[in-house]
Amino acid sequence: SQQGEEDPQALSIQEGENATMNCSYKTSINNLQWYRQNSGRGLVHLILIRSNEREKHSGRLRVTLDTSKKSSSLLITASRAADTASYFCATAMEYGNKLVFGAGTILRVKS
Amino acid sequence: GAGVSQSPSNKVTEKGKDVELRCDPISGHTALYWYRQSLGQGLEFLIYFQGNSAPDKSGLPSDRFSAERTGGSVSTLTIQRTQQEDSAVYLCASSPPYKNTGELFFGEGSRLTVL
Repeated sequence: SQQGEEDPQALSIQEGENATMNCSYKTSINNLQWYRQNSGRGLVHLILIRSNEREKHSGRLRVTLDTSKKSSSLLITASRAADTASYFCATAMEYGNKLVFGAGTILRVKS
Repeated sequence: GAGVSQSPSNKVTEKGKDVELRCDPISGHTALYWYRQSLGQGLEFLIYFQGNSAPDKSGLPSDRFSAERTGGSVSTLTIQRTQQEDSAVYLCASSPPYKNTGELFFGEGSRLTVL
């Protein structure tokens, strides 16, 4: 069964707007990661946040983690058409253990 | 090569035939994963190899699926007596040793179509 569930399933925004995607999970984790997948391609790692961290930034990406609510959010600021892709969260229950992925959010950025 | 390499990139087979999918991880990566992604869906975990430890096979959907990793490097995923529901993209990923971040590096996938 999937550990993470993304919300919304699909998101359509205008270029320049911010995009927020959420991820909820069920069990205690060691870390949570976000990945991006362009259509027909493999996944690319975006950012990792550890269970003892609350917020992390990387360029236009901001990730938050609330372990009490077992949830995370990914914010993409000033979106671009090139950000159009599917975004997945993945959780690891122990360091080095398998990563379990959610169903993903499809983001479409209109220019 | 610089990245994770998977072959074939596309495979069309008839129901009942066996198929083998190959994954060449990044050199030095000790962890190797196989996932399955059906059209428009998320990733379904299949199997995980970590160094010389026994693999985690908990995600394999049936005994028709098996995987091996020779010499701690190349991995082959074998599907016997393929069924139409096996049609999907099979993604391989590798990860550096424990001391690193746990980030996975993915190949481009092998798209399997069972007629």
